[in-house]
Amino acid sequence: DTAVSQTPKYLVTQMGNDKSIKCEQNLGHDTMYWYKQDSKKFLKIMFSYNNKELIINETVPNRFSPKSPDKAHLNLHINSLELGDSAVYFCASSQWDGNYGYTFGSGTRLTVV
Amino acid sequence: AQSVTQLGSHVSVSEGALVLLRCNYSSSVPPYLFWYVQYPNQGLQLLLKYTTGATLVKGINGFEAEFKKSETSFHLTKPSAHMSDAAEYFCAVTGGTSYGKLTFGQGTILTVHP
Repeated sequence: DTAVSQTPKYLVTQMGNDKSIKCEQNLGHDTMYWYKQDSKKFLKIMFSYNNKELIINETVPNRFSPKSPDKAHLNLHINSLELGDSAVYFCASSQWDGNYGYTFGSGTRLTVV
Repeated sequence: AQSVTQLGSHVSVSEGALVLLRCNYSSSVPPYLFWYVQYPNQGLQLLLKYTTGATLVKGINGFEAEFKKSETSFHLTKPSAHMSDAAEYFCAVTGGTSYGKLTFGQGTILTVHP
């Protein structure tokens, strides 16, 4: 049973399109996150939600919009995709403050052409 | 603000040799420190963590790390490398009012030679 599952695993799309990535966790965690891993493997937080409430919103273009319908789900919608959005996007979850570690999903490799 | 520096973007060892991956952190509050491993085309797996208490922490796959406050370090070691240890390793820090935000180092690619 996958603890944090993301779909799709791979996403290839054209510039200007709108796409969504879905994430679900079955660990009973309170907090969920989106991280972006760029081509140099650098990981940077984008958003975090605690019990459906936005907690962290880093400097991310407003083309990126997270949505959390309940505490077990955190989706990422991206409008007007650009070449620079190509990356691997990881969903993760943790107990409230994350101080005891996260559980990561397997990632979604987004390629914008 | 917190930061992590991993010394050496690539480390190469022979099978059976000691593995040492270096991590230094900066934090104005007591840190919570982590090592994650990423195998090719996979997600990140938690190897070990330091929260409070014992400064030498043991993790999965025979890895361990020691928190040294005076040196602001959290180096990862394994006495004897195995071919299956080849992967990328990330050190990360959180704590204080970071609200769960993990700040990662730039990663170290470990290569294990037969």
